Amino acid sequence: AQRVTQPEKLLSVFKGAPVELKCNYSYSGSPELFWYVQYSRQRLQLLLRHISRESIKGFTADLNKGETSFHLKKPFAQEEDSAMYYCALSVGGGNKLTFGTGTQLKVEL
Amino acid sequence: DGGITQSPKYLFRKEGQNVTLSCEQNLNHDAMYWYRQDPGQGLRLIYYSQIVNDFQKGDIAEGYSVSREKKESFPLTVTSAQKNPTAFYLCASSSSGTDHYEQYFGPGTRLTVT
Repeated sequence: AQRVTQPEKLLSVFKGAPVELKCNYSYSGSPELFWYVQYSRQRLQLLLRHISRESIKGFTADLNKGETSFHLKKPFAQEEDSAMYYCALSVGGGNKLTFGTGTQLKVEL
Repeated sequence: DGGITQSPKYLFRKEGQNVTLSCEQNLNHDAMYWYRQDPGQGLRLIYYSQIVNDFQKGDIAEGYSVSREKKESFPLTVTSAQKNPTAFYLCASSSSGTDHYEQYFGPGTRLTVT
């Protein structure tokens, strides 16, 4: 069965510093990878997906099949980036998502 | 106001009682999902439904039941067989078109069983 691992429960960075939220997955085929975000008092929402290869709110994520990783990166953290981030995986072209345990990002002034 | 609604926001029940959590969407989505969120465990899929009158077990379906009689509604029943029912429950939906991977989430229901 597929699995998503987010090794950091909490990541604390200073404003303006680079951010990297780690995500590793275990799946032998070609998965679809996503990042979902939950800001304080807001609903969980899609941030970005690897297939679209876009930058959202300054965040990017590259799928590295060799390392089975999909790390989320941003060059300069902003205070409004503080949130809970979940990496998720979908396989076989289906809708079913497998989520990681999440990383709480805290951006300090 | 479009989106997914879950009610109630907080729910309290005595041990041994079944309880049903409501999830309604007006996004015209075919697929709906129920997740359970526990601290340090992320989101775990309980049940999902790709179409009306059809649903499949997720990773932790034991002690739960669902129905999908209407496209808009996907209620979840937490039965007395669920050993640790106290949790935060999230409902989501998605379309079956080109963006079918994006799931739209409700605000959640926090269930406390004592």
